Amino acid sequence: AQKVTQAQTEISVVEKEDVTLDCVYETRDTTYYLFWYKQPPSGELVFLIRRNSFDEQNEISGRYSWNFQKSTSSFNFTITASQVVDSAVYFCALSERGFQKLVFGTGTRLLVSP
Amino acid sequence: DSGVTQTPKHLITATGQRVTLRCSPRSGDLSVYWYQQSLDQGLQFLIHYYNGEERAKGNILERFSAQQFPDLHSELNLSSLELGDSALYFCASSVEGSGLETQYFGPGTRLLVL
Repeated sequence: AQKVTQAQTEISVVEKEDVTLDCVYETRDTTYYLFWYKQPPSGELVFLIRRNSFDEQNEISGRYSWNFQKSTSSFNFTITASQVVDSAVYFCALSERGFQKLVFGTGTRLLVSP
Repeated sequence: DSGVTQTPKHLITATGQRVTLRCSPRSGDLSVYWYQQSLDQGLQFLIHYYNGEERAKGNILERFSAQQFPDLHSELNLSSLELGDSALYFCASSVEGSGLETQYFGPGTRLLVL
């Protein structure tokens, strides 16, 4: 069964704080991809990162970093030195070989206050 | 800008009516996906088309139908609308449709059924 769990419904931080968004997934396949998308208040879904199941290296892109651990089925997302513009809902998603769909978590709303 | 376009941006209609949502994929993408985002159901996959053919169906109601035309644009038809159909409808596209690609999302169509 495919399932993505984002247990944190809402997180509030003050600007410049670091924040980690958790994502736990379930899959029976050995070949799969994990994604993070950002949905700002304007409503569109913006692709942030894709990681395949064979690549457990952590990735850093500017203030964003991702920690993929197969042993705990987690794909966590950290924003360093958060900014007000980071305020959005963040979705973790899973896709499996042969299934032409993304399975999304329920999202985590991040509110960054000045 | 993802390169995926959706029209209209907003749609207000009455119960029992029929509407058509339109999507144009990114240049070169052969696959189009439709998703529904509602407060109670979250982001749910509806249907996937690849080069004009239906490839996968998700939780799509019988009152809903879709098609992909030879120029690769897609339309989602929603009929006999109910209050519960009010949601944000996203279209996404990808190059092929193997299930392991990044899906790029359009800005969405916000449907309000009164």
